[in-house]
Amino acid sequence: AQKITQTQPGMFVQEKEAVTLDCTYDTSDPSYGLFWYKQPSSGEMIFLIYQGSYDQQNATEGRYSLNFQKARKSANLVISASQLGDSAMYFCAMREGRGTDKLIFGTGTRLQVFP
Amino acid sequence: DTAVSQTPKYLVTQMGNDKSIKCEQNLGHDTMYWYKQDSKKFLKIMFSYNNKELIINETVPNRFSPKSPDKAHLNLHINSLELGDSAVYFCASSQEGMTGRAGGPTDTQYFGPGTRLTVL
Repeated sequence: AQKITQTQPGMFVQEKEAVTLDCTYDTSDPSYGLFWYKQPSSGEMIFLIYQGSYDQQNATEGRYSLNFQKARKSANLVISASQLGDSAMYFCAMREGRGTDKLIFGTGTRLQVFP
Repeated sequence: DTAVSQTPKYLVTQMGNDKSIKCEQNLGHDTMYWYKQDSKKFLKIMFSYNNKELIINETVPNRFSPKSPDKAHLNLHINSLELGDSAVYFCASSQEGMTGRAGGPTDTQYFGPGTRLTVL
């Protein structure tokens, strides 16, 4: 079974609008971390935002916020006031607390922001 | 200033050759990783090292051998390169290692710029 599912292969949004990128995860571990990364066309992986399984509040970092719904096992990324520079691939990832450091990635969502 | 650096950025080589990719981090992190991103952009862990000790070896062929001379460096050596090895290889590092409880901000992994390997 997929541990991280991103069901939107591609999304379009108009500049200055908000957009939500979906991510659902599957784990039976009570301790885990959820991450979003951005990969622009230049190829680097840029860390955006983190949410811990024990965090009571949704994480926010500037224009990025994470809509964390633990019971539904979803961790959607919300980008407010989209900019042209937000056009990129976005990856959701999870680290489980089973004595392993590895990040498990979703398949990514390609976001295109148009003027 | 670069936090996680990799060299080279591009590597084009013939099948059967041996090549190395170097990674260095100046973040003072204890754990370093290698990930492979395939042509469909899927990222998968290959190895992780914590304080020079191999922690994860994710069913990677023996032709791939990571080496960590110190906790700031993690190199990847690949023997007898095959066409299927063509991919982007990312190095990453994090402060927290295997001893840490997942779900803390120190889990965050910071990635290098990637090395695009093309095997002809």
